[in-house]
Amino acid sequence: SAVISQKPSRDICQRGTSLTIQCQVDSQVTMMFWYRQQPGQSLTLIATANQGSEATYESGFVIDKFPISRPNLTFSTLTVSNMSPEDSSIYLCSVREGGNTEAFFGQGTRLTVV
Amino acid sequence: LAKTTQPISMDSYEGQEVNITCSHNNIATNDYITWYQQFPSQGPRFIIQGYKTKVTNEVASLFIPADRKSSTLSLPRVSLSDTAVYYCLVGSINTGGFKTIFGAGTRLFVKA
Repeated sequence: SAVISQKPSRDICQRGTSLTIQCQVDSQVTMMFWYRQQPGQSLTLIATANQGSEATYESGFVIDKFPISRPNLTFSTLTVSNMSPEDSSIYLCSVREGGNTEAFFGQGTRLTVV
Repeated sequence: LAKTTQPISMDSYEGQEVNITCSHNNIATNDYITWYQQFPSQGPRFIIQGYKTKVTNEVASLFIPADRKSSTLSLPRVSLSDTAVYYCLVGSINTGGFKTIFGAGTRLFVKA
């Protein structure tokens, strides 16, 4: 199994600013994903973080708002840009190891925008 | 990816067996059925996965009928700590790649 560390675990930010969330995995993984989970809701996939190329975004999410980096097989960042209160949510990093169909998740980053 | 339908919430008491059923009428031939559990303030955790018939592990059992249009997660003798949201997912590399797409989930409340 993969162990995922996310930083920060929580933050309170001013509207109009940006926050970068880090995801570190203890092993090399092929697939990394970023999710958003709004209070009391299910998880929504934001994008797939591809190593060495641009991220692939799901409908409703764009690179200008959620730029993602994936410099290597163990690390990724998600930036929430020009934040508004509507961006208040939990952001989760997830990985899948090659052909294994089980997904592992980080503890999440709880973001509050004021 | 096949759409899944689960009850929004369920209540149970400690020591009871809990069965959560998930409907997935449009499941594809290559799709697997996977269940995740999520506690408050934590990321989801894999519970069990199956393709057909019955799968059992140390945590739960998964029952899948021959037509595979539904599945039932069975939690034996639940305790208070089993209070969580349970997600049923259906997919495969052929139908959704490696993406894990979540439905609404079932909120299970276990009472003393």
